[in-house]
Amino acid sequence: DGGITQSPKYLFRKEGQNVTLSCEQNLNHDAMYWYRQDPGQGLRLIYYSQIVNDFQKGDIAEGYSVSREKKESFPLTVTSAQKNPTAFYLCASSREHSGNTIYFGEGSWLTVV
Amino acid sequence: QKEVEQDPGPLSVPEGAIVSLNCTYSNSAFQYFMWYRQYSRKGPELLMYTYSSGNKEDGRFTAQVDKSSKYISLFIRDSQPSDSATYLCAMSSISGGYNKLIFGAGTRLAVHP
Repeated sequence: DGGITQSPKYLFRKEGQNVTLSCEQNLNHDAMYWYRQDPGQGLRLIYYSQIVNDFQKGDIAEGYSVSREKKESFPLTVTSAQKNPTAFYLCASSREHSGNTIYFGEGSWLTVV
Repeated sequence: QKEVEQDPGPLSVPEGAIVSLNCTYSNSAFQYFMWYRQYSRKGPELLMYTYSSGNKEDGRFTAQVDKSSKYISLFIRDSQPSDSATYLCAMSSISGGYNKLIFGAGTRLAVHP
């Protein structure tokens, strides 16, 4: 099946730890995105990548890092510098210049304990 | 003022009702308009996509865009309990070749039997 796979679905992090969220897509999309969703605030863009080995900061990049070594993969690391990391994280992808239709994965819940 | 405003609800309707969901926006450069449906603890799924002004119909769903009023709507006819979800509007312009998508905060809809 074509789609976007995020793992893990649920993740618990201790204070001071870095954690990495996985995102893989087999849609042959060029662009990939990471969003954060908090209750009542909608989706906020963390990072995006339009091509392999290139990525750009979004609106709330502080405390996060990404890599894009393969077209299919766009992992997100939530570092200890992120002050309030508990949230629902969504990975998405789109064809370049597709008219802005992006498709989402099922999301990963991160909780700091 | 947020670029995109969306009433968070919740909106509760009986089965079979016509539902109207709305968003207003401030950026006249927006050209692409989307509606996503998000079930609890799931990723958003693309429901409707419209370019520029006008109407688009897909089964029980109709999307309307009024660029002169900076107002978009999603109508759901013959609503079903399975339509109970959060509906997110999203819109974008192309800025420097990157499709920056701006989301509303989402409206929670509950359709009761």
